[in-house]
Amino acid sequence: DAKTTQPPSMDCAEGRAANLPCNHSTISGNEYVYWYRQIHSQGPQYIIHGLKNNETNEMASLIITEDRKSSTLILPHATLRDTAVYYCIVRVENQGGKLIFGQGTELSVKP
Amino acid sequence: DTEVTQTPKHLVMGMTNKKSLKCEQHMGHRAMYWYKQKAKKPPELMFVYSYEKLSINESVPSRFSPECPNSSLLNLHLHALQPEDSALYLCASSQTPGASGLDTQYFGPGTRLTVL
Repeated sequence: DAKTTQPPSMDCAEGRAANLPCNHSTISGNEYVYWYRQIHSQGPQYIIHGLKNNETNEMASLIITEDRKSSTLILPHATLRDTAVYYCIVRVENQGGKLIFGQGTELSVKP
Repeated sequence: DTEVTQTPKHLVMGMTNKKSLKCEQHMGHRAMYWYKQKAKKPPELMFVYSYEKLSINESVPSRFSPECPNSSLLNLHLHALQPEDSALYLCASSQTPGASGLDTQYFGPGTRLTVL
């Protein structure tokens, strides 16, 4: 079973920051948090991952709470092309790289 | 370059047909994966190949037969499928199998399979 819970849907105005929350209260100390997104009928696209520290790349920022029980993905200036299902995944250790996807958050960016 | 290619994009087959899906990557990755995704559901792992050897089979029915001829290529052979096997089949690859934080998976665009 997936170790994460996410809201099923969110809306965001174009040009504003999109903040997508994820709860992973049973995460273990050496398990990474990964974020992917899937635009309709395409393959999932890797966004970012982290262990303890906050991370930033050209696509997004990942904020992980100090107790690591939750995280937030931030898209700083959402565009219509960011409309997608966003998956927060805790990568389970010692399972050969297995990713267990939860239900994800359907983000709709509106003009 | 993080490209994983899959062919064909679409496939329609009858229940008695034999067909194959193909996945290719040229990133030097040593792990490759097959996932199945039904409509409006998240992807579910089917198989993992690590250094060209099958390392995980998620109790997938034998009508799905994976093959990894070399480190760049992954096939999924299909035989005697059922209509409920209709789905998007996704391939992914990662650099170092099972290495924490170093095995980011990159996905291909998928093959949309319809079984009649």
